[in-house]
Amino acid sequence: SQTIHQWPATLVQPVGSPLSLECTVEGTSNPNLYWYRQAAGRGLQLLFYSVGIGQISSEVPQNLSASRPQDRQFILSSKKLLLSDSGFYLCAWSVGLAGDTDTQYFGPGTRLTVL
Amino acid sequence: DAKTTQPPSMDCAEGRAANLPCNHSTISGNEYVYWYRQIHSQGPQYIIHGLKNNETNEMASLIITEDRKSSTLILPHATLRDTAVYYCIVRVYTGGFKTIFGAGTRLFVKA
Repeated sequence: SQTIHQWPATLVQPVGSPLSLECTVEGTSNPNLYWYRQAAGRGLQLLFYSVGIGQISSEVPQNLSASRPQDRQFILSSKKLLLSDSGFYLCAWSVGLAGDTDTQYFGPGTRLTVL
Repeated sequence: DAKTTQPPSMDCAEGRAANLPCNHSTISGNEYVYWYRQIHSQGPQYIIHGLKNNETNEMASLIITEDRKSSTLILPHATLRDTAVYYCIVRVYTGGFKTIFGAGTRLFVKA
């Protein structure tokens, strides 16, 4: 069966510090991968998605970046965190180019607090 | 912007059916309706999806109107553990697999 892992589970970082969040998927090949952010009490905002190694699409301009160095690894990074980067970061995967039946499966999330 | 409209919150008595409505009046012919839920401080969980026919699985039933402009998620026997935010989503293809999550419906199941 497929599983998705995210770490760390929680993170407290000072403003201006770098960030690296990691997501890995097991049990599937060539998945679509996604990064979402959820501010407190709000819905999910899609940040990045990837359909293959080295292929990253950004949905919103910001000081975050994403990379996919391996097929089942997705990394979210920042060089300098802002207060507004605080939130709940979720990674998700889906089967691949499956047309409109592209169900997404979410990881447990990382709660980031920037102070 | 999300292409769906849901009530912000609903209550349901434990053991009763919870019927969560969703409007998606601009849905196109090849777009699916998906439902996810998010229990506090967890990642969203897939529930069910459908195109035009009604669907049922071990978690819920999905009723889609004939014109496909609205749908209803039915939890047949709600439990306290079903308290969560429920998201109704229409898949949007814009050169990539982009799913837009709106604010959802916060369902409170009460004993």
